[in-house]
Amino acid sequence: AQSVTQLGSHVSVSEGALVLLRCNYSSSVPPYLFWYVQYPNQGLQLLLKYTSAATLVKGINGFEAEFKKSETSFHLTKPSAHMSDAAEYFCAVSADGNNRLAFGKGNQVVVIP
Amino acid sequence: DTEVTQTPKHLVMGMTNKKSLKCEQHMGHRAMYWYKQKAKKPPELMFVYSYEKLSINESVPSRFSPECPNSSLLNLHLHALQPEDSALYLCATRDRLGEQYFGPGTRLTVT
Repeated sequence: AQSVTQLGSHVSVSEGALVLLRCNYSSSVPPYLFWYVQYPNQGLQLLLKYTSAATLVKGINGFEAEFKKSETSFHLTKPSAHMSDAAEYFCAVSADGNNRLAFGKGNQVVVIP
Repeated sequence: DTEVTQTPKHLVMGMTNKKSLKCEQHMGHRAMYWYKQKAKKPPELMFVYSYEKLSINESVPSRFSPECPNSSLLNLHLHALQPEDSALYLCATRDRLGEQYFGPGTRLTVT
């Protein structure tokens, strides 16, 4: 079974500073990996995904993530935080034949002016 | 059309009521999901339909009853719910590459 670990439930970042959210996965087969963002009282929106093509994945809103098999990681970064980046971020992995997504616990990102 | 729609947006119901949540998509995806999400938590999988057939039931109590009338529609029938069932209920569809597309959710409050 696959699983995802996201450390640090709350992440505070200054406006204009680097955003770094860590995601480590566990999977017995090559995984598909996703980062989703959720704004208050809304559904989840896909930021980016890794599906075994390029290891550096660029997503929406200036976010990107790098798949590192040796480290079983898929960390999310954005060079310069904006106030609008304040939201909940979930890393997820899909690797089993039943099409389940295993979510991490999420990171609540707070942007400080 | 790349949207998953859900109705209603908000629902308040008593513990003896019967209500239904509706989800609709026109992306041609053949896998559809119901999730339950509590505040500050990740979504919890409830049901998966694949080609209009129930393929996964994550041991959900029978007071939740899913239905997939056709490839575009997914319903969740609710009966005799408990206050702890109050949550955001999310519908999602899945494409061939495993990406799931989420609707905006229905905020359910059980009184």
